[in-house]
Amino acid sequence: QKEVEQNSGPLSVPEGAIASLNCTYSDRGSQSFFWYRQYSGKSPELIMSIYSNGDKEDGRFTAQLNKASQYVSLLIRDSQPSDSATYLCAVNPNAGGTSYGKLTFGQGTILTVHP
Amino acid sequence: DAGVIQSPRHEVTEMGQEVTLRCKPISGHDYLFWYRQTMMRGLELLIYFNNNVPIDDSGMPEDRFSAKMPNASFSTLKIQPSEPRDSAVYFCASSGGGHWAKNIQYFGAGTRLSVL
Repeated sequence: QKEVEQNSGPLSVPEGAIASLNCTYSDRGSQSFFWYRQYSGKSPELIMSIYSNGDKEDGRFTAQLNKASQYVSLLIRDSQPSDSATYLCAVNPNAGGTSYGKLTFGQGTILTVHP
Repeated sequence: DAGVIQSPRHEVTEMGQEVTLRCKPISGHDYLFWYRQTMMRGLELLIYFNNNVPIDDSGMPEDRFSAKMPNASFSTLKIQPSEPRDSAVYFCASSGGGHWAKNIQYFGAGTRLSVL
């Protein structure tokens, strides 16, 4: 079982719709969770971080965390063609020890928003 | 700040040659990470440093790969000898700050390596 799993997609949604991206992780002790966006040919850039159970909203983006079920999701409201990219879920395995600062990335979900 | 700076942006070399990739982290960051990204394997952590000291090199594929961080503003990833299967995009990232900020990594533009 991979440490961080995502559906590779591609996920295709029409412009204006809600895009829902999901991620599960295996280490129950994980403390920090991140969503990175990567445009084709570019480097990953951080768009959301979440540390506590529940929802965290930032503009059109909402991150959801459920530690009991070991999943984290990203919702993109009013999707735009400019949101078309690969979305990477990243997890910090635990808060200390040799994993401090280390992130494990999922394979990424390709999102396409069509006009 | 200019962000994480990597060089070269593109590297084409022949099998058996030595390749050196360079990275300058964001000033003040005390963590530096080297990743490799391929279509098949995604984004893989190769090695990371804290305060210039290697902390975890378990992702380094084999002895042909080595990484150094001689000071807080410079790191290298060397492949010697290079092989076609090393072709990938190599990213450097850095992080730093308080407890939670240490987990927020900022990526360089990457080096696209092609080994013929």
